[in-house]
Amino acid sequence: HLVESGGVVVQPGGSLRLSCAASGFNFGNFAMHWVRQAPGKGLEWVSLITWNGRGTFYADSVKGRFTISRDNTKNSLYLQMKNLRTEDTALYYCAKADYDSGVDGDYYYMDVWGKGTTVTVSS
Amino acid sequence: DIQMTQSPSTLSASVGDRVTITCRASQSISTWLAWYQQKPGKAPKLLISKASGLQSGVPSRFSGSGSGADFSLTISSLQPEDFATYYCQHYNGYPWTFGQGTKVEI
Repeated sequence: HLVESGGVVVQPGGSLRLSCAASGFNFGNFAMHWVRQAPGKGLEWVSLITWNGRGTFYADSVKGRFTISRDNTKNSLYLQMKNLRTEDTALYYCAKADYDSGVDGDYYYMDVWGKGTTVTVSS
Repeated sequence: DIQMTQSPSTLSASVGDRVTITCRASQSISTWLAWYQQKPGKAPKLLISKASGLQSGVPSRFSGSGSGADFSLTISSLQPEDFATYYCQHYNGYPWTFGQGTKVEI
């Protein structure tokens, strides 16, 4: 079970932190994704953080502006968003990352999704 | 980056129809492909992983196939609750990308 929060209306150039509270699984054992969906559009992967927080990955569209983090003691995932642009307006989902093992590593997909929180960037 | 292209973008069908959605990757992704279903106002739901692995609780009328760069999702007998938008997504590594979606409508 994943519950996102923190979405609000913010002006361009502003900052925001999204949170995702996890329950029902051992949060500290799993990598986590953020995925967003602009109004009427498709899904866009935003960021992934490994189970221990040591590995982070970002879409080019948010690199340098967004920071993913987690607190395994609080079963929580975060997305710090800075220098927001109108094109960041979207419904932001957190998703648990399950994985398949291959010969050269693990391959992560999204198996459980929250209901999302809406971020609107507008003046 | 790997580009994922779905076809068709919209599919009109009737209850009981067999429907197939295709997804093509811009390079080989082995079988690192997932399919998701999204209904209006709802979060996406994972249907299939590793190209053909049906998730627990997903009806057996859904099936996935393919490897390399070409994949498909088939619904053997469309039910009223299957009208939704379907997305493929590669997970062959960073960055993860989705297809543009296929809307299945009446």
